[in-house]
Amino acid sequence: DSGVTQTPKHLITATGQRVTLRCSPRSGDLSVYWYQQSLDQGLQFLIQYYNGEERAKGNILERFSAQQFPDLHSELNLSSLELGDSALYFCASSVEVGTYEQYFGPGTRLTVT
Amino acid sequence: AQKVTQAQTEISVVEKEDVTLDCVYETRDTTYYLFWYKQPPSGELVFLIRRNSFDEQNEISGRYSWNFQKSTSSFNFTITASQVVDSAVYFCALSESPYKAAGNKLTFGGGTRVLVKP
Repeated sequence: DSGVTQTPKHLITATGQRVTLRCSPRSGDLSVYWYQQSLDQGLQFLIQYYNGEERAKGNILERFSAQQFPDLHSELNLSSLELGDSALYFCASSVEVGTYEQYFGPGTRLTVT
Repeated sequence: AQKVTQAQTEISVVEKEDVTLDCVYETRDTTYYLFWYKQPPSGELVFLIRRNSFDEQNEISGRYSWNFQKSTSSFNFTITASQVVDSAVYFCALSESPYKAAGNKLTFGGGTRVLVKP
């Protein structure tokens, strides 16, 4: 158990819908990352937050957005869902300063039908 | 831009054989970090090791060992005396200096699936 929690574990929804994925980092970790794992794209970095502020952006679609709240949990919002958004979405956290390994949550498997 | 290549997509071995996973990386930075992660069939990503670009000392940890060669931009991983529980997908990843404004995202290779047969 990495200490990173993600909910829900599975999500099935229809095209055009909007979903919210939630992540709680390990205790003491200030940085949260979101990654998408799909068969065709592999593991791709989406976005990073550090202590509530956006730190880095990767291949995140405009239909996707994220935020990190004062209690450091993070949410990833996916809207206008398409079939191609079906993937495993991971959240990871790290202390960041002085420690760089990222600890991953169990992931949320999103299926868009 | 940084890139990680794992040329082996799948390796199948019989229990107790050694397995070596190849990883080649590209980066323009002089300071960077390399990682190995394991993804068992249950799906979670498990951190195994981190190495920085200034530390080329190879390491052995139990049945795992790592060979970092900066001259060839390689960071290979060996499982000695493999066991069925080692069956998983193994990912090599690269992170550039976390002090850059771009943050310290991980760039992953495509992964190598290891199947250990009893």
